[in-house]
Amino acid sequence: SQKIEQNSEALNIQEGKTATLTCNYTNYSPAYLQWYRQDPGRGPVFLLLIRENEKEKRKERLKVTFDTTLKQSLFHITASQPADSATYLCALEVGGSYIPTFGRGTSLIVHP
Amino acid sequence: NAGVTQTPKFQVLKTGQSMTLQCAQDMNHNSMYWYRQDPGMGLRLIYYSASEGTTDKGEVPNGYNVSRLNKREFSLRLESAAPSQTSVYFCASGKGTISNQPQHFGDGTRLSIL
Repeated sequence: SQKIEQNSEALNIQEGKTATLTCNYTNYSPAYLQWYRQDPGRGPVFLLLIRENEKEKRKERLKVTFDTTLKQSLFHITASQPADSATYLCALEVGGSYIPTFGRGTSLIVHP
Repeated sequence: NAGVTQTPKFQVLKTGQSMTLQCAQDMNHNSMYWYRQDPGMGLRLIYYSASEGTTDKGEVPNGYNVSRLNKREFSLRLESAAPSQTSVYFCASGKGTISNQPQHFGDGTRLSIL
């Protein structure tokens, strides 16, 4: 069966460090992978999209990698800040479907 | 610019009651979606509308109906609420049947069914 796996345990890091979140998938061949941020009591907010033929994408302090061989995406936040504390969701989009399937999300807590 | 607006924000129902959740977007998006989010389950697609006049079932449609009233509005109806439908419901919109477009979410309706 198709699965999207994100670490259910919260990631705790110190301010200024790089946070790395993982999204693994099985039995998918996604054309695109998206990352969203969700704050408590709010809806998800789109952050970044990476295509299957792209290895890496950057936006300010954010970096996403996409390894279709390992079936894994890594989401990095450099110089993390307490304001980065949130739940981060990955979403896969299989080519032609245009509707992403979401992972359960990983909570990030950045300590001052 | 409001984006995606959902009403109400909170609601408590008794088992068997009916209710309609409202969603409106002001981004001129073609596609709209209804998700539910439960602890440990992530976002699950209930119904979607690829364009005005069309609706399709998602992963968990049982117990729900939808109406795409016009391009802006997409409502979700619970005809006979059950405790298993206690959840947070999110509406989202997107540019449409084009891959690689992000979804824009509302802030959810928190629904409790007693």
